[in-house]
This record gives sequence, C-alpha cells and structure tokens, in this order.
Amino acid sequence: EADIYQTPRYLVIGTGKKITLECSQTMGHDKMYWYQQDPGMELHLIHYSYGVNSTEKGDLSSESTVSRIRTEHFPLTLESARPSHTSQYLCASSESRRTSGNTGELFFGEGSRLTVL
Amino acid sequence: KNQVEQSPQSLIILEGKNCTLQCNYTVSPFSNLRWYKQDTGRGPVSLTIMTFSENTKSNGRYTATLDADTKQSSLHITASQLSDSASYICVVSDRGSTLGRLYFGRGTQLTVWP
Repeated sequence: EADIYQTPRYLVIGTGKKITLECSQTMGHDKMYWYQQDPGMELHLIHYSYGVNSTEKGDLSSESTVSRIRTEHFPLTLESARPSHTSQYLCASSESRRTSGNTGELFFGEGSRLTVL
Repeated sequence: KNQVEQSPQSLIILEGKNCTLQCNYTVSPFSNLRWYKQDTGRGPVSLTIMTFSENTKSNGRYTATLDADTKQSSLHITASQLSDSASYICVVSDRGSTLGRLYFGRGTQLTVWP
C-alpha cells in the first residue's frame, strides 16, 4: 500500500466557495503531482512539483493553484469553485528517476471527488 | 502527436475466464510502459512497469507483454476473479527529461460476472 493520503475523499460545495484539497505522502518523495480525471477519460496533469518551493503547471489549463512548502505536503486550492470544476482529483508522488534502480514509479492517493453545485 | 490508445473500451467476461487487453502507443522516445488497475472511486495502483528491453513481466495472474518495435503492449489476466472488475490503464513514459512525461490511455473497463 502506498503511503499517500488525500482529504477530503468527497466534497459537495456551492459555486463561488474556496476549497483546498489536501495531499500528503510519507515516502519522502521529491516529486508530487495533481491529476484531473473525468469518467471514461484519461488522466490530465494539472500541476506538478520537483521539490520544496518548486511548482509548475501541467498540460491541462486549470484555475487551481498549488504550493509545496514541505516535502510531504502538496495542497491544491480553488479560490472560487464553479460547476465546471466538478471532477475527480488525484494526487500522486514519485522518487527522482536519478535514484539508482528507480523507474519513477508513480504512487496515487485515493482521490478527491469534487462536486460544485 | 504522442498518444496511447487502448482497446477494447469495455469488456465483460465470466469469472474464471482469461482475457487480454491491448495498448498501442506512438510515444517517442520511449522510456517505459506501465499498467495500472483502478477500482471504481479509487486511485490507480501499479501492476507492472516494463522498460525497452523487457518483453514480458508478470504480477500474479497479470502478465504484461511489450513489443517495442510495433509499439504494442498487452495485459493478460488469467482465471479472472470478481475483484478484477476495474479500469485498466496503460501509461507510457517518454525519455525527454528526468521527469519523463507520462501519456495516459483512457483505460479498458473490465467487468467480471459470476
């Protein structure tokens, strides 16, 4: 079992609310990622981080923001939620591929299902 | 354009039967190919990772094959169980950077009936 945790698992909120999805990992991984997944569709990378104080936008344009103040913590924030933000958000982490013998294995959290009314 | 295509989109089989899922990719330069299992409402869990030099890799009743020349992979499930019902996702990594960009397929939704 991977030691990566997401909260909340499910969230239903009204339009305009600010929300933060939490993600923590206890594996000491440098790299962390946020993916968005809609039913029947592929995962889309929305944010990633190489380490503390490093964050980058992914392939899919997103109105969310992230921060990486601590290695183990990578929260995602939506300042003003809209119905178009309704989706499944998956957090993941991996070791640096420069680590000997490591293939950059990706470990996922259980996901946060967000519904914006 | 780098892509990962999976087939079939969905599959229903009876418990105890075998099945094979397909993954074709155009990602280049190739680094590795991964198969993940994703239960409904859960995060994906890794089944296998194969690099360029590996043709086959097994994980219990799951066996993945890779043909890097034709850019095809398959995941074979033997003696299926009800717990195998899930989405199976093929993911290909390129060698463009230390991050290794990942390209995700849309998955094959497998349902195993008793």
